[in-house]
Amino acid sequence: GESVGLHLPTLSVQEGDNSIINCAYSNSASDYFIWYKQESGKGPQFIIDIRSNMDKRQGQRVTVLLNKTVKHLSLQIAATQPGDSAVYFCAENGGYQKVTFGTGTKLQVIP
Amino acid sequence: KAGVTQTPRYLIKTRGQQVTLSCSPISGHRSVSWYQQTPGQGLQFLFEYFSETQRNKGNFPGRFSGRQFSNSRSEMNVSTLELGDSALYLCASSSYGTGGYEQYFGPGTRLTVT
Repeated sequence: GESVGLHLPTLSVQEGDNSIINCAYSNSASDYFIWYKQESGKGPQFIIDIRSNMDKRQGQRVTVLLNKTVKHLSLQIAATQPGDSAVYFCAENGGYQKVTFGTGTKLQVIP
Repeated sequence: KAGVTQTPRYLIKTRGQQVTLSCSPISGHRSVSWYQQTPGQGLQFLFEYFSETQRNKGNFPGRFSGRQFSNSRSEMNVSTLELGDSALYLCASSSYGTGGYEQYFGPGTRLTVT
């Protein structure tokens, strides 16, 4: 069939505001979840991870929340900066590094 | 510590040809995974190697294959190229199996099939 490009959802935020990027995952058996950031022309870059026995984990300016009941993951970025502009992917590791990626969200930071 | 390197960075091939892509993981990492990224399908897992053994494989046809050498360097091969194989091929290494899950990605090889 005809190949259609993915239309990435876009989140536009003002510089200095907080960003929240959401993701739904599919495999209830996954025990490890990761957020990646991908800038144009580069490979994905690890941001933060969380195991299924946790519901919240904080890093530097980032927080990941995991709701296993509804299979939902979110990434919160505090005080968003222009350098945060990128595509963000959630991913689930189903074992032996078989990582399933979400479709991605494009974050645009407005100066 | 040097990051994950992939060669070549760009490649143009014609339909029916075959191609081999190379990945050098971070020193000490024994797990190497390969992914295909396209606008239509996003990021998809191809396979993972650890200590020269393929431990996991995604849903790709047999034209896609790989191997890992004793120094953990890995290659992937695509035979009988099709137009739909045009993509960014990403390699990631991790210390999974020896303590860590975190994957580090290379910059990718951009393959164009004409």
